[in-house]
Amino acid sequence: QKEVEQDPGPLSVPEGAIVSLNCTYSNSAFQYFMWYRQYSRKGPELLMYTYSSGNKEDGRFTAQVDKSSKYISLFIRDSQPSDSATYLCASFTNTGGFKTIFGAGTRLFVKA
Amino acid sequence: DAGVIQSPRHEVTEMGQEVTLRCKPISGHNSLFWYRQTMMRGLELLIYFNNNVPIDDSGMPEDRFSAKMPNASFSTLKIQPSEPRDSAVYFCASTLGGGDGYTFGSGTRLTVV
Repeated sequence: QKEVEQDPGPLSVPEGAIVSLNCTYSNSAFQYFMWYRQYSRKGPELLMYTYSSGNKEDGRFTAQVDKSSKYISLFIRDSQPSDSATYLCASFTNTGGFKTIFGAGTRLFVKA
Repeated sequence: DAGVIQSPRHEVTEMGQEVTLRCKPISGHNSLFWYRQTMMRGLELLIYFNNNVPIDDSGMPEDRFSAKMPNASFSTLKIQPSEPRDSAVYFCASTLGGGDGYTFGSGTRLTVV
């Protein structure tokens, strides 16, 4: 079993839809939870991070972590064609030297 | 800030040849990571350094792979000899740590024929 599991998709939605992206993880020691966005032929870029459980909002994006169920979510409101990319969830422990484990990534297509 | 700089952007080489990938991390970042990305396996951590010291190389697939970080501003990943199954995009990333996350380079797309 991979430490971070993510459905690779693809996920196709119409413009303006609410998008829900999800991951599960197995390592109880994970403390930091992150979402990266990767456009085609580019390196991943950090979108959002949360520490421990809870929600974090940034504009149209909301990250949510439920440590009791080991579930990580990213919600995108009013999705735009420019949101079309691969979204990778990631986690690490504070004692692991920031060694980050990535999910497989979910490919998202937002149709105009 | 120029970000994390990787070279070359593309490399096509023949099986059996030596390949060297280069990375310049962001100045002041004390951790550097080498990842490999393929469609089948996603992003795999190969090795990472803290303060130029290799900390965990358990992801290096075989002895054919080696990495060095001679100083805080430069790292190399070498494959010798290269094989077709090494074809992938290789990313270098650096970080200060914690919630800063990683800053990735643009990657090196390696094709071994």
